[in-house]
Amino acid sequence: NAGVIQTPRHKVTGKGQEATLWCEPISGHSAVFWYRQTIVQGLEFLTYFRNQAPIDDSGMPKERFSAQMPNQSHSTLKIQSTQPQDSAVYLCASSFANTGQLYFGEGSKLTVL
Amino acid sequence: SQWGEENLQALSIQEGEDVTMNCSYKTYTTVVHWYRQDSGRGPALIILIRSNEREKRSGRLRATLDTSSQSSSLSITAAQCEDTAVYFCATDPTGYQNFYFGKGTSLTVIP
Repeated sequence: NAGVIQTPRHKVTGKGQEATLWCEPISGHSAVFWYRQTIVQGLEFLTYFRNQAPIDDSGMPKERFSAQMPNQSHSTLKIQSTQPQDSAVYLCASSFANTGQLYFGEGSKLTVL
Repeated sequence: SQWGEENLQALSIQEGEDVTMNCSYKTYTTVVHWYRQDSGRGPALIILIRSNEREKRSGRLRATLDTSSQSSSLSITAAQCEDTAVYFCATDPTGYQNFYFGKGTSLTVIP
């Protein structure tokens, strides 16, 4: 089992460009979560899918951020018109139904210049 | 965060000492998870304690939960250098297994 796979591990974008981050959850896990991690804010919940359906996106900034889960094997987080304050490590996690334990990927570090 | 605890701190101890990290949360939760995060890696669950438990042990780890004061603690006995990491508590305020994390405690164990 390869665990949760996130790509790219590092991404550098210029201000105003788009960034797409990819996550492949552990096979058989029904829930996928996205978190953003910074030194100042810590681990912030962004959004959550269960069985590919969006359940809670209350942590997503209302503009520029979107997440999708087109099939059970991957999810994407897209940030349009990136800003320097979007610089962070974006973590994806998956969990098996009803256990609650989150299995995290190693994260995608986004740097917006 | 409206859910998680605000205790961001850094602790530095000598190898062999015991250490306790605290977490306070703002809303009801049925379970508290404790995760550790090594540098450059994602967090990994190390112990969880449910609302009907007051104490849980796993090896050198001990977690406590006080639902009346909405607080939890994680203790490590006889800390070792490999315990150096950031430790987070996480709660599930919605009850839908959607976890919110505290700010974390950075623990450094010095040989």
